[in-house]
Amino acid sequence: AQSVTQLDSQVPVFEEAPVELRCNYSSSVSVYLFWYVQYPNQGLQLLLKYLSGSTLVESINGFEAEFNKSQTSFHLRKPSVHISDTAEYFCAVMKNTGFQKLVFGTGTRLLVSP
Amino acid sequence: GAVVSQHPSRVICKSGTSVKIECRSLDFQATTMFWYRQFPKQSLMLMATSNEGSKATYEQGVEKDKFLINHASLTLSTLTVTSAHPEDSSFYICSAVDRVRGQLTGELFFGEGSRLTVL
Repeated sequence: AQSVTQLDSQVPVFEEAPVELRCNYSSSVSVYLFWYVQYPNQGLQLLLKYLSGSTLVESINGFEAEFNKSQTSFHLRKPSVHISDTAEYFCAVMKNTGFQKLVFGTGTRLLVSP
Repeated sequence: GAVVSQHPSRVICKSGTSVKIECRSLDFQATTMFWYRQFPKQSLMLMATSNEGSKATYEQGVEKDKFLINHASLTLSTLTVTSAHPEDSSFYICSAVDRVRGQLTGELFFGEGSRLTVL
């Protein structure tokens, strides 16, 4: 079975500061990795994903995440955050053997203040 | 991008009544849809996997008779909360796999969620 650990339940940061949201996973098989963002009272939106190839993946709004197999991590980073980045961020894994359920971490609330 | 729509977005009902939530894939066919439940300030917990034309597969601890799932077509899955009670109040989110593109991307598309409040 797969599991995801997001150690930080909440990360406060000032606007324009860098941020890293941590994600570690556990799996006995190869996985796909995802970061989803959830704004208040909304569903989830895919932020970025790692399926194969380059271990560094980027989103269109400046976030990036790096797959580290040896450390079983997929940390999310942004060099300079905006107020609008305030949201809940979920890391998730899926077995890469076809359509499987997503297993989510507990989420990290990113709070960006002026 | 692919769109998954849930309806209703919010519903309030009395204890003992049943509530149906619809999940539609608007621009793709979804042979598989997943239903998640999210408690306040917590993660999403998978309730069941819905496959078109067959019975849903429920996760351990989820009552099949309580949460009825029907996936009658390639674009529609429904979740019916039967005899709802206040403890069933939650945010229910569905997700769908694009039958064609999903094979390549592994991506799930999520609905906007439905907030159920049982009085």
